[in-house]
Amino acid sequence: DAGITQSPRYKITETGRQVTLMCHQTWSHSYMFWYRQDLGHGLRLIYYSAAADITDKGEVPDGYVVSRSKTENFPLTLESATRSQTSVYFCASLTSGKNIQYFGAGTRLSVL
Amino acid sequence: AQSVSQHNHHVILSEAASLELGCNYSYGGTVNLFWYVQYPGQHLQLLLKYFSGDPLVKGIKGFEAEFIKSKFSFNLRKPSVQWSDTAEYFCAVNEGSTLGRLYFGRGTQLTVWP
Repeated sequence: DAGITQSPRYKITETGRQVTLMCHQTWSHSYMFWYRQDLGHGLRLIYYSAAADITDKGEVPDGYVVSRSKTENFPLTLESATRSQTSVYFCASLTSGKNIQYFGAGTRLSVL
Repeated sequence: AQSVSQHNHHVILSEAASLELGCNYSYGGTVNLFWYVQYPGQHLQLLLKYFSGDPLVKGIKGFEAEFIKSKFSFNLRKPSVQWSDTAEYFCAVNEGSTLGRLYFGRGTQLTVWP
């Protein structure tokens, strides 16, 4: 029962570098989400996807790119990392029949 | 855009004390409401949810929440907390017309002293 897995769990990078965070789910859920968690802000939605090849912006999409070529994968790319993108990133998927999101363990990203 | 307010940022209690965490939201239409918990170093887990029906909902680990539509509130309660309840608690709201998309409050850190 793998559920939803994120990789890497920890990442340190430098400003200007491209970074890709991976998210994989084994449930065949249609919807997938990327959030960032920052102290004092709770979780904020970056991007979400209703199905393969369908993505849409959330509250804070600037500086991020997503793709969804397969239902089970939803990678998040920081095209040119900035220090303000230091955060904990959570991926989630949704079982539409119950409208409940299930979260991955998170990726802690530090941009130096 | 939806706004979710959690007024208590850090709550400190002794074991066996009662807990109430406030949550208010701004959307005036149909909503689905959630409380998630995040234990130290772990991912978010669903505590309880409200979609419709009885406004008093019960969740896991003895938690409950009451939806008061007139007050746009969904407060979380537990009659007697335990040390193991130390965690961060997030209120989240989904507008009924948009499947899945959640708006989170900033979270409340609960510390329970044994």
